[in-house]
Amino acid sequence: DAGITQSPRHKVTETGTPVTLRCHQTENHRYMYWYRQDPGHGLRLIHYSYGVKDTDKGEVSDGYSVSRSKTEDFLLTLESATSSQTSVYFCATQGEGNQPQHFGDGTRLSIL
Amino acid sequence: GDSVTQMEGPVTLSEEAFLTINCTYTATGYPSLFWYVQYPGEGLQLLLKATKADDKGSNKGFEATYRKETTSFHLEKGSVQVSDSAVYFCALRTGGGSNYKLTFGKGTLLTVNP
Repeated sequence: DAGITQSPRHKVTETGTPVTLRCHQTENHRYMYWYRQDPGHGLRLIHYSYGVKDTDKGEVSDGYSVSRSKTEDFLLTLESATSSQTSVYFCATQGEGNQPQHFGDGTRLSIL
Repeated sequence: GDSVTQMEGPVTLSEEAFLTINCTYTATGYPSLFWYVQYPGEGLQLLLKATKADDKGSNKGFEATYRKETTSFHLEKGSVQVSDSAVYFCALRTGGGSNYKLTFGKGTLLTVNP
C-alpha cells in the first residue's frame, strides 16, 4: 500500500487551542486529501490538494485550513479547535489517472 | 450533487453465510465505483473497484458489478468468515484532472459470528 504516515495518531487538546495534523507520503502522489469520519456520516472531505501549493475546499471545510509546501507533506490546521471537531481524521493520496485513493491509519482527535 | 446510499446495518451473519450489502448511487457523468473496507482501529483499504458499466470488481472472494441501468454496485460474498467483520464503504468518483474526489456512503458494519 502507499506509504502514508499520519501524525500524531492520537491527540487530546482543549477548546480554543490551535492543532496541526500532518500527513506524509513516500509515493510521490500528486493528489492528497483530508477527511473526517464521524458516526452516521461516513467520511466527509475537508480539503484536498492537486499539487504543491494547490488546494481547494471540500464539503466540510469551515474551521480548517491546509498547506502543502512540498509533494510529500499535507498539513491540516484547526486554528481554534472546537468540540464539534472531535473526530477521526484520515489522510489519503492518489496517483495520476484512474488510480484509487490510499488511506493512512488516521488520527483520533479529542477536543475537550 | 453526487451521492451514495448503502444499507446502514449493522449486519450480523453466521460464518459461511451469504453476504449482500446494497449500494446505489446518483452521479453526473460516468463515475468509477469502489468498495473500501475498514478493520477496527485502521484506515480504509481498497477492496475492489469498477470503472465502467458491466465491469465486475473482485477481491478476496468479494464481488460487485457496476450496473448502470439500476445505478447500483452491490457487494456480495458467497461464504463469509469471522475475519470479514469490518465496516464496508461504497464510494464513487467523478471528475478528473485537478478534481478527483470521492463521495462515500455512510458505511455498513458487518459482524460475522463463529
